[in-house]
Amino acid sequence: AQSVTQLDSHVSVSEGTPVLLRCNYSSSYSPSLFWYVQHPNKGLQLLLKYTSAATLVKGINGFEAEFKKSETSFHLTKPSAHMSDAAEYFCVVSDTQAGTALIFGKGTTLSVSS
Amino acid sequence: SQTIHQWPATLVQPVGSPLSLECTVEGTSNPNLYWYRQAAGRGLQLLFYSIGIGQISSEVPQNLSASRPQDRQFILSSKKLLLSDSGFYLCAWSVNRVYVGTEAFFGQGTRLTVV
Repeated sequence: AQSVTQLDSHVSVSEGTPVLLRCNYSSSYSPSLFWYVQHPNKGLQLLLKYTSAATLVKGINGFEAEFKKSETSFHLTKPSAHMSDAAEYFCVVSDTQAGTALIFGKGTTLSVSS
Repeated sequence: SQTIHQWPATLVQPVGSPLSLECTVEGTSNPNLYWYRQAAGRGLQLLFYSIGIGQISSEVPQNLSASRPQDRQFILSSKKLLLSDSGFYLCAWSVNRVYVGTEAFFGQGTRLTVV
């Protein structure tokens, strides 16, 4: 069965400093992986996705993530945080073999201070 | 382009009352449809998903049910709400491709408070 573990429930950074949100996954087959962002009381927006093409995936708003099969990781990074990046971030796995629905991690809250 | 509509945005209901949340998708046909519930600090929990009209899979046994009366309409219901049903409910759709991982697109959510 597939699962996702987000290693930090809360990350705090200063504006202009790098962001790292960590995610490890478990999947029986070749997974598809996603990062979503959610601002308070809003729906979820897709940041980026990995579907077995390039291992370094670039998304919107300057975010990127690297798929590392040997480490079963899919960490989200951004070189320089902006105040508007403050939100909740979800790492998500979809098992391509079984075609099941998306399985979400518990989320990481990103705080950005000035 | 595809759009997803979910309503109402907020809802306050007494314990024991019925519930009906509606979700519709425009601009696509035969989508996969999903209901998720979000509780603070617990991520998103998949409640139901549907790959076609009348085809509903339940992920978590509970006080809720789902129906898909039309291709692009997905309804979440309850006959008698419990306090524990409070939460943020999200409807989502994805392209119906069983063997290819594909992203889901989310509605704006319904904040349900059971009092």
